[in-house]
Amino acid sequence: AQSVTQLDSQVPVFEEAPVELRCNYSSSVSVYLFWYVQYPNQGLQLLLKYLSGSTLVKGINGFEAEFNKSQTSFHLRKPSVHISDTAEYFCAVKNSGGYQKVTFGTGTKLQVIP
Amino acid sequence: EAQVTQNPRYLITVTGKKLTVTCSQNMNHEYMSWYRQDPGLGLRQIYYSMNVEVTDKGDVPEGYKVSRKEKRNFPLILESPSPNQTSLYFCASSLNLNTEAFFGQGTRLTVV
Repeated sequence: AQSVTQLDSQVPVFEEAPVELRCNYSSSVSVYLFWYVQYPNQGLQLLLKYLSGSTLVKGINGFEAEFNKSQTSFHLRKPSVHISDTAEYFCAVKNSGGYQKVTFGTGTKLQVIP
Repeated sequence: EAQVTQNPRYLITVTGKKLTVTCSQNMNHEYMSWYRQDPGLGLRQIYYSMNVEVTDKGDVPEGYKVSRKEKRNFPLILESPSPNQTSLYFCASSLNLNTEAFFGQGTRLTVV
């Protein structure tokens, strides 16, 4: 069975500072990995995804994530955050192939402080 | 515009009064699912559907029903709502299981 862990429930960071949101997964097979963002009072939208190929994935709004198979991690990073990045971020994992569903983490609330 | 539409956005109801939350997508996606979001628990899948007339239980199906009579629609039915079903609900669709999901705006349900 697959699982995903987001250890940080909240991350406060000053505007223009860098940020890293951590995501670790567990699976016995190859995986697909996703990061979604949820702005207040909205649904989730895709930030970026890793299916195969380059382990460094670039997404929207200047975010990127690196797939590290040996550490089973898929941390999300941004070199300089803006107030508008204040949102909740969800990591998700799915075993590649087959009919298993996506599993979401519990989310990390990013609070950007002016 | 490609979108997933849920209705209503907000709903307050009383225990035991049957309700339906509608979900419709215009992207011809095969896979649709319902999630509930609760603080500290993230998103938990309630039911999913691989295609028309094909539905299956997710992680927390108790107290819910779904149907998939048409490809675009996937309503969530609460036959006898209880206060522990107070939550934020999301419908999502994707082309298939291996592609990213598109989410609706959410339905905030309160059962008193």
